[in-house]
Amino acid sequence: QKEVEQNSGPLSVPEGAIASLNCTYSDRGSQSFFWYRQYSGKSPELIMSIYSNGDKEDGRFTAQLNKASQYVSLLIRDSQPSDSATYLCAVNEGGYNKLIFGAGTRLAVHP
Amino acid sequence: DVKVTQSSRYLVKRTGEKVFLECVQDMDHENMFWYRQDPGLGLRLIYFSYDVKMKEKGDIPEGYSVSREKKERFSLILESASTNQTSMYLCASILSGGGYGYTFGSGTRLTVV
Repeated sequence: QKEVEQNSGPLSVPEGAIASLNCTYSDRGSQSFFWYRQYSGKSPELIMSIYSNGDKEDGRFTAQLNKASQYVSLLIRDSQPSDSATYLCAVNEGGYNKLIFGAGTRLAVHP
Repeated sequence: DVKVTQSSRYLVKRTGEKVFLECVQDMDHENMFWYRQDPGLGLRLIYFSYDVKMKEKGDIPEGYSVSREKKERFSLILESASTNQTSMYLCASILSGGGYGYTFGSGTRLTVV
């Protein structure tokens, strides 16, 4: 069974701090990695994608990928209360168009 | 702006009814998916389709069927709704190659009473 694992949280950080969200995956054939943000009662929205080892930055968000360790992370700098949401890690099932999702990490940013 | 549109945001149905959930995408994506999402259980794949008239079972297909007669439309059917099918249903689509991730619809909150 191919799996994506995340700590369910809640991860609580003060406003302005760096939030660090982590994800591990089991399928070594995976090539594409995604982070989705989901507000309560809403559908997931794609915020970051990463395909190569290393870091990828987009505004306050940085995705990090280490394929050897089968590890993906998302850093949110200068966290804001509006970042409070559940963050889903998703990994493509090797060779297929289907994504496997983690259960999500709930982030709470407090003023 | 590209979109995945789910026909209903909220639905209330009675036990035993046949329920149709519709999903339409305007991105010419080959691949479409139906998930349900429940607290503590995450996203669970019900059915998916890689092409017109093609369907594959996901992890929890029991009690559901699907139809894909046109590329842009993927319908989820609850043959005889039961209370344990009360859930948030999410449709998603993706371009072949998978490199751009899913685009999700806004979701349908289904309550079966």
